Amino acid sequence: ETGVTQSPTHLIKTRGQQVTLRCSSQSGHNTVSWYQQALGQGPQFIFQYYREEENGRGNFPPRFSGLQFPNYSSELNVNALELDDSALYLCASSLVGYEQYFGPGTRLTVT
Amino acid sequence: TQLLEQSPQFLSIQEGENLTVYCNSSSVFSSLQWYRQEPGEGPVLLVTVVTGGEVKKLKRLTFQFGDARKDSSLHITAAQPGDTGLYLCAGDWGAGNNRKLIWGLGTSLAVNP
Repeated sequence: ETGVTQSPTHLIKTRGQQVTLRCSSQSGHNTVSWYQQALGQGPQFIFQYYREEENGRGNFPPRFSGLQFPNYSSELNVNALELDDSALYLCASSLVGYEQYFGPGTRLTVT
Repeated sequence: TQLLEQSPQFLSIQEGENLTVYCNSSSVFSSLQWYRQEPGEGPVLLVTVVTGGEVKKLKRLTFQFGDARKDSSLHITAAQPGDTGLYLCAGDWGAGNNRKLIWGLGTSLAVNP
């Protein structure tokens, strides 16, 4: 059974640029959730995808968008990057509402 | 708005001491999960409690779900430096399209040798 993987591990971008982060869900899981986590804080829910459709969204602006593919892998896209977007971005896969299994995260730094 | 308050936010103790972390809410959850996260890694699920009053043990860690399923506690006995990390609770709230996980902000634990 393959766990959740994320790529890239680290990323440095300039303010105003766009970024795409990727996540492969754990085998058998049909739901992917994305979180933003500042240092020392709990995860902040961005959105969730279930069977390729957005299934819930947190308090994040529209420049945060996502996709889920037929194999349940997912992308998080962030446009017009701001300095405050610097954070650890976590992807978690699950069966809807069940326990979340997290990937190692992508550390994004915006300069 | 559903909230899950964790306390304390920070805890620094000596090896061998006991500690308790609390998660409290005014909302009722169908289940509650506890995670532990180490720096630079994603959270790892420790346990899920489902039934009101349920107690689960994982070696030196004891998890309890409140009778009304609104609160939970994590007790660590004889803490070790390897217990250092961010402890997070998350409550499974709602049903159908409104079902979601409500996260606490975490308790950062440092166990000093």
